[in-house]
Amino acid sequence: DSGVTQTPKHLITATGQRVTLRCSPRSGDLSVYWYQQSLDQGLQFLIQYYNGEERAKGNILERFSAQQFPDLHSELNLSSLELGDSALYFCASSVRAGATGELFFGEGSRLTVL
Amino acid sequence: DQQVKQNSPSLSVQEGRISILNCDYTNSMFDYFLWYKKYPAEGPTFLISISSIKDKNEDGRFTVFLNKSAKHLSLHIVPSQPGDSAVYFCAAKRGSGSARQLTFGSGTQLTVLP
Repeated sequence: DSGVTQTPKHLITATGQRVTLRCSPRSGDLSVYWYQQSLDQGLQFLIQYYNGEERAKGNILERFSAQQFPDLHSELNLSSLELGDSALYFCASSVRAGATGELFFGEGSRLTVL
Repeated sequence: DQQVKQNSPSLSVQEGRISILNCDYTNSMFDYFLWYKKYPAEGPTFLISISSIKDKNEDGRFTVFLNKSAKHLSLHIVPSQPGDSAVYFCAAKRGSGSARQLTFGSGTQLTVLP
């Protein structure tokens, strides 16, 4: 158990819809990262938050947005969903000044868009 | 542009033999490298890491080698066990101090045959 909690674990929805994925980081971790893993792909970095502020952006579509709340949990919002958005979405957290860069991952949220 | 590449999507090895997983990178600014292991229906978990100031790091059955001039790293597992069967991702980051997002390869599925 990494200590990172993601909900829901599975989600099935239709094209054009909007969903919200939720992540609770490990206790004490201020940084939250979102990654997308599509079929046969590696983990693609989407966005990072540190203590409530956006820290870095990766290949995140404009239809996607995220935020980190004062209690440090984070939400990833995916809108106008397309078939190609079907993927595993991972949240990870890290310590405040982790020199090793080690991330702790949740179990992921599997999104299926029909 | 894939900055971290794992060119072998799969590898099968007999139990007790050595498993060698390879990873190449293109960004010379990367200074820290990690390997993650992922079982089905779980998030990736940290396995071993290496800083660019070293060329080898060992942890039990796992050894990571870094060849900076070739921009290549490899993970050796000796002896391989059936429980090692998983997807292995290599990852890299640049910059030290604060935790930064990792760039991941596409993964190699290792199957250790009993």
